[in-house]
Amino acid sequence: DAKTTQPNSMESNEEEPVHLPCNHSTISGTDYIHWYRQLPSQGPEYVIHGLTSNVNNRMASLAIAEDRKSSTLILHRATLRDAAVYYCILRDDGSSNTGKLIFGQGTTLQVKP
Amino acid sequence: KAGVTQTPRYLIKTRGQQVTLSCSPISGHRSVSWYQQTPGQGLQFLFEYFSETQRNKGNFPGRFSGRQFSNSRSEMNVSTLELGDSALYLCASSWVGRNTGELFFGEGSRLTVL
Repeated sequence: DAKTTQPNSMESNEEEPVHLPCNHSTISGTDYIHWYRQLPSQGPEYVIHGLTSNVNNRMASLAIAEDRKSSTLILHRATLRDAAVYYCILRDDGSSNTGKLIFGQGTTLQVKP
Repeated sequence: KAGVTQTPRYLIKTRGQQVTLSCSPISGHRSVSWYQQTPGQGLQFLFEYFSETQRNKGNFPGRFSGRQFSNSRSEMNVSTLELGDSALYLCASSWVGRNTGELFFGEGSRLTVL
């Protein structure tokens, strides 16, 4: 599985946008970019995923570089509830229908009131 | 719609004992995966069951095993417990066939080995 690189930690102020970067220089053409987050004392939860085009949902936006070697998860208005560890994960097309995820260390996001 | 349910939530065992953890997936989900989370190693994939068959396995010793029942409920077992097995064990279910492959995680079973 291709590897991702994320900053260990980031800080944000409440109600400001947050841009969480992820590098994946060895991404293959069939790799989907998935984001999960883990709130304190909870299991991870799905946030968003994409292949080539930018994606939006009710939780966040995903901006994917044209060469797909990096991507950015965008939280438009951070709330205290968004404080969590955010994981950027690559899943190839063949494994997207399985329950196997390869987690890295993720980015710990701190949101200040 | 009920989420993924894991029992027990907390348990304490001593070295050498064995433990069984249970996971009830979301209704209709046929895939159940297990993960171990520790401060040092982070989240690591243990194994996945689909239609009562193990179809993916992580890099863990044979002391870690699992099974899935016909109703998709799953159990994992750890035999001959070691101190290093202290961890949060997470179960995730998914509905195979969706191209998102979105996994739904439970809150975990926290195992302490003394």
